[in-house]
Amino acid sequence: SYEVTQTPSVSVSPGQTASITCSGDNLGNKYVCWYQQKPGQSPVLVIYQSNRRPSGIPERFSGANSGNTATLTISGTQAVDEADYYCQTWDSVSVVFGGGTKLTVL
Amino acid sequence: QVQLVQSGAEVRKTGDSVKVSCKASGYTFTAFAMFWMRQAPGQSLEWVGWINPDNGNTRYSRKFQGRVTITRDTSASTAYMELSSLRSKDTGVYFCARDGIEPGNGGDFWGQGTLVTVSS
Repeated sequence: SYEVTQTPSVSVSPGQTASITCSGDNLGNKYVCWYQQKPGQSPVLVIYQSNRRPSGIPERFSGANSGNTATLTISGTQAVDEADYYCQTWDSVSVVFGGGTKLTVL
Repeated sequence: QVQLVQSGAEVRKTGDSVKVSCKASGYTFTAFAMFWMRQAPGQSLEWVGWINPDNGNTRYSRKFQGRVTITRDTSASTAYMELSSLRSKDTGVYFCARDGIEPGNGGDFWGQGTLVTVSS
């Protein structure tokens, strides 16, 4: 079965750029979504179709997907962005989630 | 506004079944598919299955195939996820999420989650 892998944790200073990656075989040929989840809350979609931002999501969130790696970039990271981030893609008829990345804003 | 409201927390014994509901409002229920996911304590999200409320077609994760049944009641704008033969590893929060119409849209609205606790 298809798998995608995320780095378990990323740390960033406020105002800096955070990059969270999701890796999988030929992932660049698939759509990727990214979700933000804060403790005790439901996930929130922050990127869909690999690089599109839902209405209401700040412009500092962007996505890219090429080769074997999809990347969620948060520019000018704020303390409010501290959360777990999950990538998600599709493999034929299945939905696949990454293991999640904990973003710490120091 | 779009809302997905799930049923309340459940406690079950090993071997029991549980049925979780997800009531949709604020949009045409039959126009969007519905995902179901599980999140075990401290773990990642895990796809359980999917239903097309318009025709009732379903797809299930191989991991849950044979134990899970997803249904819908279009008159009540509600989707249901039933999991049988419960074991302790099934403990977790179960989420429903609306699947955007276009490919690659993902879960654009999520329910609040339903905690299912399985004990022996």
